[in-house]
Amino acid sequence: QVTLRESGPALVKPTQTLTLTCTFSGFSLSTRGMCVSWIRQPPGKALEWLALIDWDDDKYYNTSLRTRLTISKDTSKNQVVLTMTNMDPVDTATYYCARILRGYHWNHFDSWGQGSLVTVSS
Amino acid sequence: DIVMTQSPDSLAVSLGERATINCKSSQSVLYTSNSKSYLAWYQQKPGQPPKLLIYWASTREFGVPDRFSGSGSGTDFTLTISSLQAEDVAVYYCQQYYSPPFTFGPGTKVDIK
Repeated sequence: QVTLRESGPALVKPTQTLTLTCTFSGFSLSTRGMCVSWIRQPPGKALEWLALIDWDDDKYYNTSLRTRLTISKDTSKNQVVLTMTNMDPVDTATYYCARILRGYHWNHFDSWGQGSLVTVSS
Repeated sequence: DIVMTQSPDSLAVSLGERATINCKSSQSVLYTSNSKSYLAWYQQKPGQPPKLLIYWASTREFGVPDRFSGSGSGTDFTLTISSLQAEDVAVYYCQQYYSPPFTFGPGTKVDIK
């Protein structure tokens, strides 16, 4: 059974750097085809894809946020970490991690975490 | 980036009636090599993560009731709920996974009339 769980601070101050951790089980990010992605959702608004890392350590980022985002993995701990710099109140959102399988082409998000609400306020 | 749009923004349907949601991508998400459109539909209820309903535009996820169906190819897609049930009240999102950056539609809220 695949499970993912997000963890991190519930409150960050403007200009600070946010660090979120996705801890997963039921698969290994060292297995060919496995990928983990981050998606966020401001309160009452739509989903926004942020970043992805695959088994081969290839990384992909949201075009408009790429200068602020860094995604990394610790395969031994079954964790993926997302950092977002220079946080602003508009970054207040629930942050989700999700799994994607990649074959010759990409696939859909087949498993999601429950999400972690991050509020940006002084 | 591929831009996803949805219509309508919201709709209210009587119990047992049909609900139809449209999704359009700014460029084709169809790979001609395998004739698959890389388009998924998710359902999200308040306080919950999105739930996968449909992938490859028309393949229902295991366990999803057959009143949910997806259709379309290329750039134009439709999610249909054939007979709306009370538990279907939610926001529905389409998403392309043709290529990163992956993008979602703005969502369609479905309510009971």
